[in-house]
Order: sequence, then C-alpha cells, then structure tokens
Amino acid sequence: DAKTTQPNSMESNEEEPVHLPCNHSTISGTDYIHWYRQLPSQGPEYVIHGLTSNVNNRMASLAIAEDRKSSTLILHRATLRDAAVYYCILMRSGGSNYKLTFGKGTLLTVNP
Amino acid sequence: KAGVTQTPRYLIKTRGQQVTLSCSPISGHRSVSWYQQTPGQGLQFLFEYFSETQRNKGNFPGRFSGRQFSNSRSEMNVSTLELGDSALYLCASSFRALGEGNQPQHFGDGTRLSIL
Repeated sequence: DAKTTQPNSMESNEEEPVHLPCNHSTISGTDYIHWYRQLPSQGPEYVIHGLTSNVNNRMASLAIAEDRKSSTLILHRATLRDAAVYYCILMRSGGSNYKLTFGKGTLLTVNP
Repeated sequence: KAGVTQTPRYLIKTRGQQVTLSCSPISGHRSVSWYQQTPGQGLQFLFEYFSETQRNKGNFPGRFSGRQFSNSRSEMNVSTLELGDSALYLCASSFRALGEGNQPQHFGDGTRLSIL
C-alpha cells in the first residue's frame, strides 16, 4: 500500500507563507492526494485535493511534483487560526477496492 | 446546513462490554465512513457504508462492525471491548461513494471512547 511521510512538526510566523511537504514515493496512478487539517477537539477539515496538476482554492494551494512522488500544501499567509495538525492522505480510486492511506500528520505552530 | 453529527461525544466503558456509536451524515450524503484515531497509530480507516451496504473495510478485527439505515444514518458497534480500543472515533460523510469520485469528506467531531 502507498504510504505518506510528513514532518512531525513545523513552525511559521503569522502572515508568512507556509510550505507543508508530503512524500508519497509509492503513489499509484489512480491515487488522489488529499489534505485535511485538524484543530484540537475537532474532526478533520478538508483543505484541498488534486491528482496531477497544481490546485488552488480559497484556503490553500497544492503543488504536486511532476513525478507525483511528493506534494506541498501552501498556505499563502498563515494566521493563528491555521495552527493545526495537517494530514496528507492518498485516496485511491477504483470502485469498492479503493485504499486509504494516511500520513501521521504535521503539527503546524503559528507564531504571532 | 447542518454538519455531521456524532453521538455521544464522550463515553466510558469497561473491558468486555460493547458499545454503539451513532453518526448522522450531512443531509443528502449517502456515504458514511468510520475512522479510529489514536496517538500511536494516527488515523485509521475502519469501513465505509453506502446505500446501506458496506463497500470497503480496513484492517480491524471482526469485533468492529457497522450498519447504515435507509436515511443514511450509521452506527458503529464494538463488542468485547479491550483497553486498546480507547480512541477517538470519527465519522465522515460524502455525497458519492469513496473511490467513485474524488471528493471531500466531511467529518464529525468524533466520539471519545475510554475503556477502563
């Protein structure tokens, strides 16, 4: 099964960009890369997802390497509310035989 | 629009007992997935239900089971509880089934289960 690897923790300053990396060297062609974040005492919240091309939404950007073996979640201007655990998840498409592979997550600390 | 609702939020049980957790998905969502979250193992997929049928199952023993009702509400049952079952159990819903469309999952805030 494809695995994801993320740094345990990262630190950023408020209003600065943050680049959260995720390695998935054994990713398959049908694996979508999803990112979620989790605040204390809450369930995970969807951030963004993509397959091959870079993606942007109001929350963040997702940059996917050309070989798809790594990706980076980009928060353009970190705020204190962005402090959370960020999870990189591979979601394999394929009817009912899909597999879900979770990373351990990166704890992001945002300094004021 | 109401989010995913899980009840109860907290639960304390003793070894050997069984427990049933409930999840009400977002209105119109037909897929409900269950996850176990522990400090040591992180987020692990338990199973997914879609239109009252289990579509996929993670690597958990048969003590973990679930079902889904016609209104898409889902329940998860754990029998013969063990100390290692202490965890946060999360439920997530989506409109289409997992694996049939890459789409966001909407998570509830979970049920914190503690086994004494």
